[in-house]
Amino acid sequence: DAGVIQSPRHEVTEMGQEVTLRCKPISGHNSLFWYRQTMMRGLELLIYFNNNVPIDDSGMPEDRFSAKMPNASFSTLKIQPSEPRDSAVYFCASRSTGTNYGYTFGSGTRLTVV
Amino acid sequence: GESVGLHLPTLSVQEGDNSIINCAYSNSASDYFIWYKQESGKGPQFIIDIRSNMDKRQGQRVTVLLNKTVKHLSLQIAATQPGDSAVYFCAENAGGTSYGKLTFGQGTILTVHP
Repeated sequence: DAGVIQSPRHEVTEMGQEVTLRCKPISGHNSLFWYRQTMMRGLELLIYFNNNVPIDDSGMPEDRFSAKMPNASFSTLKIQPSEPRDSAVYFCASRSTGTNYGYTFGSGTRLTVV
Repeated sequence: GESVGLHLPTLSVQEGDNSIINCAYSNSASDYFIWYKQESGKGPQFIIDIRSNMDKRQGQRVTVLLNKTVKHLSLQIAATQPGDSAVYFCAENAGGTSYGKLTFGQGTILTVHP
């Protein structure tokens, strides 16, 4: 089991550019979550999917952020246009709707917008 | 202007001592709680969980205590080791329509001195 795989591990981009973060959940997991972590706000839930369907996107900061899950094994989080305040570590997590709610996190993507 | 980040609680212990990390949660409807450990440069890692119908659960070297009356959760680590140094987060699931959606606390920094 390779765990939750995120790419890239680090991304440095210029303000105004489009950024796409990628996530491959654990095979068999049917829920996927995108979190953002900053020193200012800690871990914040951006959006989550159940069976590839977005369930709650109330944490998405604004229209510049969008997320998709075209199939059970892939999700993207896109920021367009990016701004310096988007700099953070973005985590993807997945879980199976089984007997508990604990989920497995990826290693994160550290995004720096300059 | 100067940015202000979260001021995380810190706990410093000597190797071999027992550690207790505390967490106050906000939602009386929360029915499931998890402790996560996050090491530098990594994603949060599941440690132990507890349901609201329990007040204590033990794992290997770790014990979680839940006091629903005062909405308080604690993580006890026995015989703390330098490898336990990390940031520890509690997380709660409110159930109902937010099924599967975890809300994280700010975290506590644990430093273990050899």
